[in-house]
Amino acid sequence: QSVLTQPPSVSAAPGQKVTISCSGSSSNIENNYVSWYQQLPGTAPKLLIYDNYKRPSGIPDRFSGSKSGTSATLGITGLQTGDEADYYCGTWDNSLSVVVFGGGTKLTVL
Amino acid sequence: EVQLVESGGGLVQPGRSLRLSCAASGFTFDDFGMHWVRQAPGKGLEWVAGISWNGGNTDYAGSVKGRFTISRDNAKNSLYLQMNSLRGDDTALYYCGKDKASGYHGSGVDYWGQGTLVTVPS
Repeated sequence: QSVLTQPPSVSAAPGQKVTISCSGSSSNIENNYVSWYQQLPGTAPKLLIYDNYKRPSGIPDRFSGSKSGTSATLGITGLQTGDEADYYCGTWDNSLSVVVFGGGTKLTVL
Repeated sequence: EVQLVESGGGLVQPGRSLRLSCAASGFTFDDFGMHWVRQAPGKGLEWVAGISWNGGNTDYAGSVKGRFTISRDNAKNSLYLQMNSLRGDDTALYYCGKDKASGYHGSGVDYWGQGTLVTVPS
């Protein structure tokens, strides 16, 4: 079981918006920065969001991140078929002294 | 252009050792923390180990602590993972990753290699 909890799957139609939640605790999300990663099939993960809401250069503003208390959320607007991927949240856990990832969420664009 | 190229994976018998390497280029290697992250077939991401910019600080996942050792050679722009006492559940694709900061405490892994596959028959 992952320390961070994500829904196993989400789906939405092209052009729509979807959110992916990441639930943790005071030892991880609440007191540390959260990152989000996109993993397209057969490829390495790619950083989408860091420091809770910041986007690396080249990441479109269709992707957004937010955090409140012990939970974080990734939002994707204007869904495209190319967004179909697995999405992971990650952060540092102060109690375990490790980086923890969520179990991953598979996004299907119907 | 940032590049991370892993090598050293392969088929290894349980109980044996393997050393992974990651050759880094395109950035000032000794300014950044580094990570090893693995992914078992069909599974999610699992952080394995992290090392600070100068190698002075390291941490490990509980599942590998005492068996794996992360290290770096800043003169060679290289990251390593020494894996001892390998087990079947260590079978995974092992990624090398660059942190956005000088440490590894969750700032974000902004560049990833393509991974090297380690297979340990169970």
